[in-house]
Amino acid sequence: AQSVTQLDSHVSVSEGTPVLLRCNYSSSYSPSLFWYVQHPNKGLQLLLKYTSAATLVKGINGFEAEFKKSETSFHLTKPSAHMSDAAEYFCVVSDLNSGYALNFGKGTSLLVTP
Amino acid sequence: DAEITQSPRHKITETGRQVTLACHQTWNHNNMFWYRQDLGHGLRLIHYSYGVQDTNKGEVSDGYSVSRSNTEDLPLTLESAASSQTSVYFCASKEGLADNYEQYFGPGTRLTVT
Repeated sequence: AQSVTQLDSHVSVSEGTPVLLRCNYSSSYSPSLFWYVQHPNKGLQLLLKYTSAATLVKGINGFEAEFKKSETSFHLTKPSAHMSDAAEYFCVVSDLNSGYALNFGKGTSLLVTP
Repeated sequence: DAEITQSPRHKITETGRQVTLACHQTWNHNNMFWYRQDLGHGLRLIHYSYGVQDTNKGEVSDGYSVSRSNTEDLPLTLESAASSQTSVYFCASKEGLADNYEQYFGPGTRLTVT
C-alpha cells in the first residue's frame, strides 16, 4: 500500500524565515505525491503535485517541493514565511488500488510568529 | 461555475439514528469519494465510486454506506450513528482517474453524535 509519513506534527517559524515541512513516502511503484493545505475551518486546497515529471515542483503561494527517490522524500519548502501561511499541511500519495483515492499523512500544523 | 457542495454543513444527532450526508457536484465527474477527518489522522477514505451504480469500500467503511443513482450525487449514510463517527466529513470528485486530474473537495460536514 502507498503511504506517507509527515515527520513533524507541529512546526513553528518566524515571519520572513524559511519553511520546511518534511514528508517521507512508501510506495511499491513510482508514486504521485501532493501537498494540500487547510486553513482553520476551511476546506482543502491543492498546493502542488508531483506526477513523475520534473522532480522540483512549484506550487501556489511560493511553495515548492522536491521529489527525491533515493531518500523517498517529498519535503515542502518556502523561502520566506508569511503570517497567512499558518495552517495545517498534508502530504498525500495517491493509491491506484482504490481508484486513485488519496492517502493522507497525519498533517503538520504550521505556526508563524511575528 | 461548477462546484461541489455538501449538506448539511453541521449536524448533531443521537446514537443509533440513521443519518445521511449529501454530496452534489456539478462538474459531471464520474469519480467521487468520501473521507473523514479526525485529529491526528489526516483524512481517511470511507467509500468511493467510479460512476453510476458503482460503489467501493475504502479504509474505514464499517458503519457507512453509499449509493450512486446519478452522476452528480453520492450520499453517505450512517445506518446507526455511533459516537466514534463524530468527525468532519469531506466529499470529493475528479474527472478522470489518472493523477494529472485534480481531486476537488467540498467544504465539509461537521457531524456530532451524542
